[in-house]
Amino acid sequence: QKEVEQDPGPLSVPEGAIVSLNCTYSNSAFQYFMWYRQYSRKGPELLMYTYSSGNKEDGRFTAQVDKSSKYISLFIRDSQPSDSATYLCAMSGMNNNAGNMLTFGGGTRLMVKP
Amino acid sequence: EAGVAQSPRYKIIEKRQSVAFWCNPISGHATLYWYQQILGQGPKLLIQFQNNGVVDDSQLPKDRFSAERLKGVDSTLKIQPAKLEDSAVYLCASSRGRAADTQYFGPGTRLTVL
Repeated sequence: QKEVEQDPGPLSVPEGAIVSLNCTYSNSAFQYFMWYRQYSRKGPELLMYTYSSGNKEDGRFTAQVDKSSKYISLFIRDSQPSDSATYLCAMSGMNNNAGNMLTFGGGTRLMVKP
Repeated sequence: EAGVAQSPRYKIIEKRQSVAFWCNPISGHATLYWYQQILGQGPKLLIQFQNNGVVDDSQLPKDRFSAERLKGVDSTLKIQPAKLEDSAVYLCASSRGRAADTQYFGPGTRLTVL
């Protein structure tokens, strides 16, 4: 069993829809939770960064973390064709002093149709 | 601010050949990471440097992979000899070097081993 599980999709939605992306994990030591967006042939770029449980909102994006269920979510409101990409969840436990050692999910491919 | 630079962008080699990838992190970033991303999967951390020292290389296949960051800035990742299963995108990321800092990714080098 992988430490971080993510449905690979593809997930196809019409423009303007609310999108829900999810990850489950097994390592209870994870404390930092991130969502990255990766366009084709590009490197991942950070969208949301959350510490421990709770919600965080940034524009059209909302990240939720439920540590008791080992489940994290990313919601995208008013989805746009430009949101079409692969979304990767990533997480880490107690960090070494140099930075995060991230464990990534496999990514969910999202397609937003005009 | 310039992002993380990587070269080459694409490389095709035959199995048993050697190959090297180069990364130039964001100026002033002390921590540098190399990840391997196999098609359809999330990135997997290979090695983490802080300045010119190795913080973690537990997932680096040391029988064929090596990496260095001699002056604490640029880094090279080498594979010798390459195997078919090494076909992947090799991503470099950097961060300021403190716990929980954001990692910024380069565009990656796409390696195909024939």
